[in-house]
Amino acid sequence: TQLLEQSPQFLSIQEGENLTVYCNSSSVFSSLQWYRQEPGEGPVLLVTVVTGGEVKKLKRLTFQFGDARKDSSLHITAAQTGDTGLYLCAGVNYGGSQGNLIFGKGTKLSVKP
Amino acid sequence: EAGVAQSPRYKIIEKRQSVAFWCNPISGHATLYWYQQILGQGPKLLIQFQNNGVVDDSQLPKDRFSAERLKGVDSTLKIQPAKLEDSAVYLCASSLVRWNTEAFFGQGTRLTVV
Repeated sequence: TQLLEQSPQFLSIQEGENLTVYCNSSSVFSSLQWYRQEPGEGPVLLVTVVTGGEVKKLKRLTFQFGDARKDSSLHITAAQTGDTGLYLCAGVNYGGSQGNLIFGKGTKLSVKP
Repeated sequence: EAGVAQSPRYKIIEKRQSVAFWCNPISGHATLYWYQQILGQGPKLLIQFQNNGVVDDSQLPKDRFSAERLKGVDSTLKIQPAKLEDSAVYLCASSLVRWNTEAFFGQGTRLTVV
């Protein structure tokens, strides 16, 4: 069974601070996705990273896929209260007959004004 | 474009009762997923359909859970009989094709078993 470990599990910071969330696995994934989930809603896709070493930027969010395609990080610069939510990484495997989406447990981020 | 629709939004049942959840994916999406999300955790895949065929149900507790996707469109997930530990949010998601796994999620059904 492939597992994705996310850290930290909880993060509470002040508005304007920077933060990094990590997603690690012992397995290699074809690609990795980051989702954000707000209370009472389903997860919403932020980004997909495919190539080892790839870096993608989405405004103040920077996503990186590890060279070996086993880990990923999400860095938020100058966090805002609107960034509050549950951040989930999800590994994708295209191999075999599956192509399914396996999620980590998430990092619950709280940004205080 | 309409999103993934799920119903009901909330359900409270007693243990040993039965319950069913319904999902209508985005039109044209071949792949449909059911996930279970326990409070404070990430979604756990229960079953994945490709059109009306099951691709992966390895984590579905088949002694009490069942799912079907008739005609490759709508899907239902059933629990019979429910246990206290089944209390969770049940999320349905769909994607255009299996290998394009940008999944779009519904709002989920929050199940409470008392």
